[in-house]
Amino acid sequence: EIVMTQSPATLSVSPGERATLSCRASQSVSSDLAWYQQKPGQAPRLLIYGASTRATGIPARFSGSGSGTEFTLTISSLQSEDFAVYYCQQCNNWPPLTFGGGTKVEIK
Amino acid sequence: QVQLVESGGGVVQPGRSLRVSCAASGFTFSSHGMHWVRQAPGKGLEWVAVISYDGSNKYYADSVKGRFTISRDNSKNTMYMQMNSLRAEDTAVYYCAKDGGSGIIEYWGQGTLVTVSS
Repeated sequence: EIVMTQSPATLSVSPGERATLSCRASQSVSSDLAWYQQKPGQAPRLLIYGASTRATGIPARFSGSGSGTEFTLTISSLQSEDFAVYYCQQCNNWPPLTFGGGTKVEIK
Repeated sequence: QVQLVESGGGVVQPGRSLRVSCAASGFTFSSHGMHWVRQAPGKGLEWVAVISYDGSNKYYADSVKGRFTISRDNSKNTMYMQMNSLRAEDTAVYYCAKDGGSGIIEYWGQGTLVTVSS
């Protein structure tokens, strides 16, 4: 089973600033990496797939990069609606699909 | 638009059974794999099971293998999860989700809460 590790667990950022979230896989997942956003009381929403492709309707301020074992989600200028928990997930070697533990982006 | 609506959650005693359902609309249900993903209170996401578009292939997380059974009825655009021998650690919100291709979870339902407690 591929283990996904996200860092940091919590990221404190001021509105308008850049946020950089990291995700590491225990073995290579090529570019088979997705990012999801989850707000309190809501279901997750797909943001990025294929490590860098934005899902339908996702604003351009969200970008993904990386391949192999190291991945990054960048939010270029945080808006109030972006404060949430973000999860990475590998879909290279499955089942099982595996998720990282999440990064909570909170208001500084 | 894609809609996934879960139902059937509730409070159940340890060792008992429960079936949750997912009604799908807004897409060709019979053409897509479907997943169950769960989230324990205050915790992260855990993939539970997947079923192929025609129900011929099913895979499970080790944590539920032998206790949970995923199924679907394409004539009713509905997916199910039969959960037997429930344990306290199965307490979670259970999300139904549409596979967008190769394990990408494209759409999620709002979830149904299953609480296992005496």
